Amino acid sequence: QSALTQPASVSGSPGQSITLSCTGTHSDIGGYNYVSWYQQHPDKAPKLIIFDVTNRPFGISDRFSGSKSGNTASLTISGLQAEDEAAYYCASYTAITTLIVFGGGTKLTVL
Amino acid sequence: EVQLVESGGGLVKPGGSLRLSCAASGFIFDSYHMNWVRQAPGKGLQWVSSISSTSNNLYYDDSVKGRFTISRDNAKNSLDLQMNGLTAEDTAVYYCTRGGADFFDYWGQGTLVTVSS
Repeated sequence: QSALTQPASVSGSPGQSITLSCTGTHSDIGGYNYVSWYQQHPDKAPKLIIFDVTNRPFGISDRFSGSKSGNTASLTISGLQAEDEAAYYCASYTAITTLIVFGGGTKLTVL
Repeated sequence: EVQLVESGGGLVKPGGSLRLSCAASGFIFDSYHMNWVRQAPGKGLQWVSSISSTSNNLYYDDSVKGRFTISRDNAKNSLDLQMNGLTAEDTAVYYCTRGGADFFDYWGQGTLVTVSS
């Protein structure tokens, strides 16, 4: 069982906006601004798309945005495109046991 | 261009050992923390181990503590993971990643480790 909780799957239509959630505790998401998000296409390595809750690496589309409220982090994808169909993983620094914890991942389907 | 290239994966019997390596290029290696992250077939990502830039600080997930050893050679721009006492639960693609506890900004292509008799 993953330390961070993500819905297993979500779907949306092209052009729509969609928000993926990632729920932790006060010992990880709630306690630190070290939430990151990764996009993984099938048979590819994960790719960083959001770091430190809200920041985008150079080259990542501004259609991707991150936020946090309490123990829950969110990734919003606006103007959904077919190429956004992928698995999305959240991660956070944690003060308990392990150093970094991941969510179980959300499979995004673009209808 | 930042490149991380893993090697050393393969098929190993339960209880066996394997050493993974990661060759880094395109950045100042000794300025960055490095990590190993794994992904079991059809499953999610799991952080395995991290090492600070000077090797002073080592971190392990509880599931591998005492069996895996992370190390680096800054002169050779390389990162290693020595894996002992392997079990079927260690079967996964192992990724070498750059970054600290806040995020992993570059990932290698991964190397597959299969533990089976």
